[in-house]
Amino acid sequence: AQRVTQPEKLLSVFKGAPVELKCNYSYSGSPELFWYVQYSRQRLQLLLRHISRESIKGFTADLNKGETSFHLKKPFAQEEDSAMYYCALIGSSNTGKLIFGQGTTLQVKP
Amino acid sequence: DTGVSQNPRHKITKRGQNVTFRCDPISEHNRLYWYRQTLGQGPEFLTYFQNEAQLEKSRLLSDRFSAERPKGSFSTLEIQRTEQGDSAMYLCASSITPNTEAFFGQGTRLTVV
Repeated sequence: AQRVTQPEKLLSVFKGAPVELKCNYSYSGSPELFWYVQYSRQRLQLLLRHISRESIKGFTADLNKGETSFHLKKPFAQEEDSAMYYCALIGSSNTGKLIFGQGTTLQVKP
Repeated sequence: DTGVSQNPRHKITKRGQNVTFRCDPISEHNRLYWYRQTLGQGPEFLTYFQNEAQLEKSRLLSDRFSAERPKGSFSTLEIQRTEQGDSAMYLCASSITPNTEAFFGQGTRLTVV
Protein backbone atom coordinates (compact mmCIF):
# COMPACT_ATOMS: atom_id res chain seq x y z
CA ALA A 1 0.00 0.00 0.00
CA GLN A 2 1.12 3.54 -0.70
CA ARG A 3 1.42 5.58 2.45
CA VAL A 4 3.13 8.71 3.73
CA THR A 5 3.79 9.12 7.43
CA GLN A 6 4.66 12.33 9.20
CA PRO A 7 5.16 11.33 12.82
CA GLU A 8 5.04 14.82 14.32
CA LYS A 9 1.82 16.83 14.37
CA LEU A 10 3.60 19.85 15.80
CA LEU A 11 7.20 20.96 15.78
CA SER A 12 8.06 24.04 17.78
CA VAL A 13 11.50 25.66 17.54
CA PHE A 14 13.09 29.00 18.27
CA LYS A 15 14.17 31.37 15.53
CA GLY A 16 17.64 30.47 14.31
CA ALA A 17 17.41 26.85 15.41
CA PRO A 18 17.75 23.97 12.93
CA VAL A 19 14.58 22.33 11.70
CA GLU A 20 13.93 18.79 10.54
CA LEU A 21 10.45 17.72 9.53
CA LYS A 22 10.26 13.97 9.23
CA CYS A 23 8.61 12.05 6.42
CA ASN A 24 8.60 8.32 5.79
CA TYR A 25 6.89 6.62 2.92
CA SER A 26 5.75 3.19 1.90
CA TYR A 27 5.81 2.36 -1.78
CA SER A 28 7.12 -0.65 -3.64
CA GLY A 29 8.39 1.19 -6.71
CA SER A 30 10.24 4.47 -7.24
CA PRO A 31 7.99 7.29 -6.15
CA GLU A 32 8.34 10.98 -6.69
CA LEU A 33 8.44 12.82 -3.37
CA PHE A 34 7.28 16.34 -2.63
CA TRP A 35 6.93 18.81 0.17
CA TYR A 36 3.93 21.12 0.08
CA VAL A 37 3.44 24.07 2.43
CA GLN A 38 0.38 25.98 3.54
CA TYR A 39 0.92 29.35 5.16
CA SER A 40 -1.83 30.88 7.24
CA ARG A 41 -4.85 31.83 5.11
CA GLN A 42 -3.11 30.78 1.91
CA ARG A 43 -3.55 27.88 -0.46
CA LEU A 44 -1.46 24.76 -0.52
CA GLN A 45 1.65 25.25 -2.63
CA LEU A 46 4.63 23.23 -3.72
CA LEU A 47 7.78 23.85 -1.72
CA LEU A 48 10.14 21.38 -3.35
CA ARG A 49 10.34 18.02 -5.11
CA HIS A 50 13.14 15.51 -4.85
CA ILE A 51 13.94 15.29 -8.54
CA SER A 52 14.74 18.99 -8.77
CA ARG A 53 17.31 18.80 -5.97
CA GLU A 54 16.80 22.49 -5.29
CA SER A 55 16.99 24.48 -2.11
CA ILE A 56 13.85 26.58 -1.72
CA LYS A 57 13.68 29.26 0.99
CA GLY A 58 16.67 27.56 2.59
CA PHE A 59 14.91 24.18 2.80
CA THR A 60 16.37 20.99 1.41
CA ALA A 61 15.16 17.41 1.37
CA ASP A 62 17.08 14.29 0.45
CA LEU A 63 15.42 11.11 -0.69
CA ASN A 64 16.80 8.13 1.23
CA LYS A 65 15.53 5.03 -0.52
CA GLY A 66 17.13 2.70 2.01
CA GLU A 67 15.25 4.28 4.90
CA THR A 68 12.28 5.27 2.71
CA SER A 69 12.51 8.78 4.08
CA PHE A 70 12.32 12.29 2.69
CA HIS A 71 12.98 14.57 5.63
CA LEU A 72 12.78 18.34 5.20
CA LYS A 73 15.61 20.36 6.71
CA LYS A 74 16.60 23.95 7.24
CA PRO A 75 19.68 24.99 9.19
CA PHE A 76 18.28 28.22 10.63
CA ALA A 77 14.52 28.60 11.07
CA GLN A 78 12.83 31.94 10.47
CA GLU A 79 9.52 33.14 11.91
CA GLU A 80 8.06 33.29 8.41
CA ASP A 81 8.62 29.55 8.08
CA SER A 82 5.73 28.96 10.48
CA ALA A 83 3.18 26.98 8.48
CA MET A 84 1.68 23.55 7.87
CA TYR A 85 3.97 21.23 5.92
CA TYR A 86 2.79 18.18 4.01
CA CYS A 87 4.94 15.45 2.59
CA ALA A 88 3.46 13.74 -0.46
CA LEU A 89 4.28 11.16 -3.07
CA ILE A 90 3.19 10.35 -6.58
CA GLY A 91 3.29 6.60 -6.99
CA SER A 92 2.42 6.38 -10.63
CA SER A 93 3.69 8.94 -13.07
CA ASN A 94 0.69 8.40 -15.31
CA THR A 95 -1.86 9.65 -12.81
CA GLY A 96 -0.13 12.49 -11.02
CA LYS A 97 -2.32 11.91 -8.00
CA LEU A 98 -0.71 12.91 -4.76
CA ILE A 99 -0.75 10.84 -1.59
CA PHE A 100 -0.29 13.13 1.38
CA GLY A 101 0.90 12.64 4.92
CA GLN A 102 -1.09 14.04 7.82
CA GLY A 103 0.98 17.19 7.96
CA THR A 104 3.25 18.82 10.52
CA THR A 105 2.67 22.28 11.92
CA LEU A 106 5.94 24.14 12.23
CA GLN A 107 5.90 26.90 14.81
CA VAL A 108 8.95 29.16 14.90
CA LYS A 109 9.06 31.23 18.05
CA PRO A 110 10.87 34.59 18.24
CA ASP B 1 -5.95 36.06 -10.14
CA THR B 2 -4.84 33.49 -12.71
CA GLY B 3 -4.62 30.62 -10.25
CA VAL B 4 -7.06 27.81 -9.60
CA SER B 5 -10.39 29.21 -8.51
CA GLN B 6 -13.00 27.41 -6.41
CA ASN B 7 -16.54 28.47 -5.61
CA PRO B 8 -18.14 28.81 -3.23
CA ARG B 9 -15.50 29.23 -0.54
CA HIS B 10 -17.87 28.12 2.17
CA LYS B 11 -21.08 26.13 2.08
CA ILE B 12 -23.37 25.25 4.95
CA THR B 13 -26.14 22.82 4.12
CA LYS B 14 -28.67 20.68 5.90
CA ARG B 15 -28.27 16.96 5.96
CA GLY B 16 -29.97 15.37 2.99
CA GLN B 17 -29.56 18.35 0.67
CA ASN B 18 -27.55 18.30 -2.54
CA VAL B 19 -24.56 20.58 -3.04
CA THR B 20 -22.40 21.42 -6.03
CA PHE B 21 -18.94 22.93 -6.05
CA ARG B 22 -17.12 24.45 -8.98
CA CYS B 23 -13.44 24.52 -9.85
CA ASP B 24 -11.87 26.65 -12.58
CA PRO B 25 -8.36 25.37 -13.29
CA ILE B 26 -5.50 27.32 -14.79
CA SER B 27 -6.48 27.66 -18.43
CA GLU B 28 -3.85 25.56 -20.16
CA HIS B 29 -3.88 22.77 -17.58
CA ASN B 30 -5.14 19.44 -18.87
CA ARG B 31 -5.13 17.62 -15.57
CA LEU B 32 -7.65 18.42 -12.85
CA TYR B 33 -7.79 16.74 -9.44
CA TRP B 34 -10.24 16.76 -6.56
CA TYR B 35 -9.14 16.10 -2.99
CA ARG B 36 -10.92 16.08 0.34
CA GLN B 37 -9.35 17.20 3.58
CA THR B 38 -10.80 16.61 7.01
CA LEU B 39 -9.60 18.23 10.22
CA GLY B 40 -6.13 17.13 11.22
CA GLN B 41 -5.56 15.10 8.09
CA GLY B 42 -3.74 15.64 4.84
CA PRO B 43 -5.68 15.94 1.58
CA GLU B 44 -7.06 12.64 0.24
CA PHE B 45 -7.43 11.97 -3.46
CA LEU B 46 -10.99 11.71 -4.78
CA THR B 47 -10.83 11.77 -8.57
CA TYR B 48 -9.03 13.25 -11.55
CA PHE B 49 -9.62 14.28 -15.15
CA GLN B 50 -7.49 14.39 -18.23
CA ASN B 51 -9.28 17.06 -20.23
CA GLU B 52 -12.96 15.98 -20.11
CA ALA B 53 -12.28 12.32 -19.33
CA GLN B 54 -12.59 11.16 -15.74
CA LEU B 55 -9.79 8.60 -15.45
CA GLU B 56 -9.86 7.46 -11.85
CA LYS B 57 -12.16 7.58 -8.85
CA SER B 58 -11.14 6.79 -5.30
CA ARG B 59 -13.09 4.35 -3.16
CA LEU B 60 -13.77 7.40 -0.99
CA LEU B 61 -16.07 8.62 -3.73
CA SER B 62 -19.37 6.96 -2.92
CA ASP B 63 -22.32 6.78 -5.31
CA ARG B 64 -23.57 10.04 -3.84
CA PHE B 65 -20.60 11.87 -5.34
CA SER B 66 -20.30 12.76 -8.99
CA ALA B 67 -17.79 14.91 -10.80
CA GLU B 68 -17.79 16.30 -14.30
CA ARG B 69 -15.53 18.36 -16.46
CA PRO B 70 -17.49 19.30 -19.57
CA LYS B 71 -15.36 20.40 -22.50
CA GLY B 72 -12.24 19.94 -20.42
CA SER B 73 -12.53 23.33 -18.80
CA PHE B 74 -14.11 23.91 -15.38
CA SER B 75 -15.17 21.00 -13.20
CA THR B 76 -18.05 20.44 -10.82
CA LEU B 77 -18.28 18.12 -7.85
CA GLU B 78 -21.79 17.27 -6.70
CA ILE B 79 -22.72 15.56 -3.47
CA GLN B 80 -26.25 14.21 -3.24
CA ARG B 81 -28.10 13.58 0.02
CA THR B 82 -25.31 15.07 2.11
CA GLU B 83 -24.35 13.46 5.38
CA GLN B 84 -22.53 14.95 8.36
CA GLY B 85 -19.50 12.86 7.46
CA ASP B 86 -19.22 14.83 4.22
CA SER B 87 -18.18 17.91 6.17
CA ALA B 88 -14.69 18.70 4.97
CA MET B 89 -12.55 21.00 2.85
CA TYR B 90 -12.81 20.09 -0.83
CA LEU B 91 -9.69 21.02 -2.78
CA CYS B 92 -9.19 21.26 -6.50
CA ALA B 93 -5.79 21.20 -8.20
CA SER B 94 -4.64 21.38 -11.79
CA SER B 95 -1.45 20.67 -13.69
CA ILE B 96 -0.22 20.72 -17.27
CA THR B 97 0.89 17.09 -17.16
CA PRO B 98 1.02 14.37 -14.47
CA ASN B 99 4.65 15.13 -13.75
CA THR B 100 4.48 18.90 -13.44
CA GLU B 101 3.59 20.96 -10.43
CA ALA B 102 0.01 20.74 -9.24
CA PHE B 103 -1.50 24.12 -8.34
CA PHE B 104 -4.21 24.13 -5.71
CA GLY B 105 -7.27 26.26 -5.25
CA GLN B 106 -8.22 27.72 -1.91
CA GLY B 107 -10.85 25.07 -1.37
CA THR B 108 -14.54 24.91 -0.56
CA ARG B 109 -15.33 24.27 3.07
CA LEU B 110 -18.51 22.23 3.42
CA THR B 111 -20.39 22.03 6.70
CA VAL B 112 -23.34 19.67 6.90
CA VAL B 113 -25.66 20.40 9.83
